[in-house]
Amino acid sequence: DTAVSQTPKYLVTQMGNDKSIKCEQNLGHDTMYWYKQDSKKFLKIMFSYNNKELIINETVPNRFSPKSPDKAHLNLHINSLELGDSAVYFCASSHIRTDTQYFGPGTRLTVL
Amino acid sequence: AQTVTQSQPEMSVQEAETVTLSCTYDTSESDYYLFWYKQPPSRQMILVIRQEAYKQQNATENRFSVNFQKAAKSFSLKISDSQLGDAAMYFCAYLGGGGADGLTFGKGTHLIIQP
Repeated sequence: DTAVSQTPKYLVTQMGNDKSIKCEQNLGHDTMYWYKQDSKKFLKIMFSYNNKELIINETVPNRFSPKSPDKAHLNLHINSLELGDSAVYFCASSHIRTDTQYFGPGTRLTVL
Repeated sequence: AQTVTQSQPEMSVQEAETVTLSCTYDTSESDYYLFWYKQPPSRQMILVIRQEAYKQQNATENRFSVNFQKAAKSFSLKISDSQLGDAAMYFCAYLGGGGADGLTFGKGTHLIIQP
């Protein structure tokens, strides 16, 4: 009965590949997010999304795109992976944008 | 843009003692929310405590309490009766009133518990 789940937990891939990370929440929340945690453990918002609006952090390269097939899922697609994309990616969800966010377990992406 | 500053990269405390982690933030908003999250070695982000800026009363969750000083833009976390399981990275986070920009995090404080 995991609240926010992500797959895979670990992802190792070559530079230039395209990959996806899946996120699912069973909390009935309306808003989902993607965060990136770099090697120094600094966390930064990438996207916030609900069924009405996608808000993109202006610093996120357009190689990253969130896709939401339904309210419970927000997947992250990354095209043309670069070495600098290596990080831990966290999905989170909240009932509304001002509510507490609950995080998934994270996906450690390593680009070789 | 809002910023969150955690000035203590690392703190160490003896088991059963009390420790306080510091956090300051900068904002021009009057309506916002503040959080402490814990990240143990498992890397799971776990909510510790939440504070609404409009509430004057400091939030408390069992052994965890905050000292919220709105005028000073300070939001410190006090952990009483420290336990080995409290060892983790602790992140202070800010959420603006509209919430559209997501959480803004500090750089974290690594808390070590000495047995």
